[in-house]
Amino acid sequence: GAVVSQHPSWVICKSGTSVKIECRSLDFQATTMFWYRQFPKQSLMLMATSNEGSKATYEQGVEKDKFLINHASLTLSTLTVTSAHPEDSSFYICSAEKGSGSYEQYFGPGTRLTVT
Amino acid sequence: ILNVEQSPQSLHVQEGDSTNFTCSFPSSNFYALHWYRWETAKSPEALFVMTLNGDEKKKGRISATLNTKEGYSYLYIKGSQPEDSATYLCAPTASKLTFGTGTRLQVTL
Repeated sequence: GAVVSQHPSWVICKSGTSVKIECRSLDFQATTMFWYRQFPKQSLMLMATSNEGSKATYEQGVEKDKFLINHASLTLSTLTVTSAHPEDSSFYICSAEKGSGSYEQYFGPGTRLTVT
Repeated sequence: ILNVEQSPQSLHVQEGDSTNFTCSFPSSNFYALHWYRWETAKSPEALFVMTLNGDEKKKGRISATLNTKEGYSYLYIKGSQPEDSATYLCAPTASKLTFGTGTRLQVTL
């Protein structure tokens, strides 16, 4: 199997606070994990590529200081939304690549973030 | 950045109907095409990965074809069932997955 979990599944936070989202590959090791964001009625947009033991690669237009990514082990990547604002409210979903360079990505169930 | 279009945006069929939807993408700089099935409140589930022009993959009642020269892929569902209700996403890959907005399929009894 290839199961990816994500926690929390939903979170509500106040403007100005930080929120951490965890992505875990439960039954395989993932050197590379990906973080996506989806706004209503839009497609999944890649935010960043998370590589175990090294710095994440951010897509154009994604602020690395606002969306902190840590991939400290082969089964866990975290995304921290710092100083969240209402415009950060979105659906965040991670995926983990099984096999380096395989393009086989297994997705978590996503996290709904609402910033009030 | 690949411009990916999926059509229709949504589809409502009766149980037993066969249906198909389209994914269009630029044919240049292409490596592979993924189809995912995404049920509400669940993780997107990988259906197919195709790389070669003319590829055809099948999984039960679901099949997909790929035309890399003209930049499109079709997904077919034969004899739709209510459990097929989901959003179907395609994602062509150049250096990374680029997703379409999906086709939302609803199958009713």
